Amino acid sequence: NAGVMQNPRHLVRRRGQEARLRCSPMKGHSHVYWYRQLPEEGLKFMVYLQKENIIDESGMPKERFSAEFPKEGPSILRIQQVVRGDSAAYFCASSPPGVANTEAFFGQGTRLTVV
Amino acid sequence: QKEVEQDPGPLSVPEGAIVSLNCTYSNSAFQYFMWYRQYSRKGPELLMYTYSSGNKEDGRFTAQVDKSSKYISLFIRDSQPSDSATYLCAMTVYSSASKIIFGSGTRLSIRP
Repeated sequence: NAGVMQNPRHLVRRRGQEARLRCSPMKGHSHVYWYRQLPEEGLKFMVYLQKENIIDESGMPKERFSAEFPKEGPSILRIQQVVRGDSAAYFCASSPPGVANTEAFFGQGTRLTVV
Repeated sequence: QKEVEQDPGPLSVPEGAIVSLNCTYSNSAFQYFMWYRQYSRKGPELLMYTYSSGNKEDGRFTAQVDKSSKYISLFIRDSQPSDSATYLCAMTVYSSASKIIFGSGTRLSIRP
């Protein structure tokens, strides 16, 4: 039973390029969360998705960032025209369907470095 | 004011000591409370979760929730060097459409 899979584990992009981060949830999980973690800081909520729906994107920057969770395939966090301040670890978590999101399991993260 | 406050530490204790980690929160709608452990350069790992007020025990770990004070705790008994990590509290409301909010994490070091 594979856990939450994120790829790539490390991603280096030059300023102005696009970054695509992928997250495959655990089997049977239909809820996906994306979080950003800066060095020595906690997890900052970005977006919460269910299959084909964005439930809460209150933590997403208004520009350059987008997320999707299609019916088939992984969830994608897309950052356009990256800047140095986007360098961080991006974590994805998934949880099973239910009345409350109490058990969210995390992937190992994608460490984005913008040079 | 942050929704969830957590002392960042670092906290250093000798092996075998009892460790107490705490969080406070401001949103009285939170009903589910979780504790995660994160090793350096790894993803957070769910340790345990509790619903509403009360205690929950799992091996050497005990989670406590006091909703009247908006205060949650994690106790680690007989601490081991392998417990050295960052511990994050997290919480959410009783809804399938609610996001999970995390504290900033407390860095814990257990000295052999």
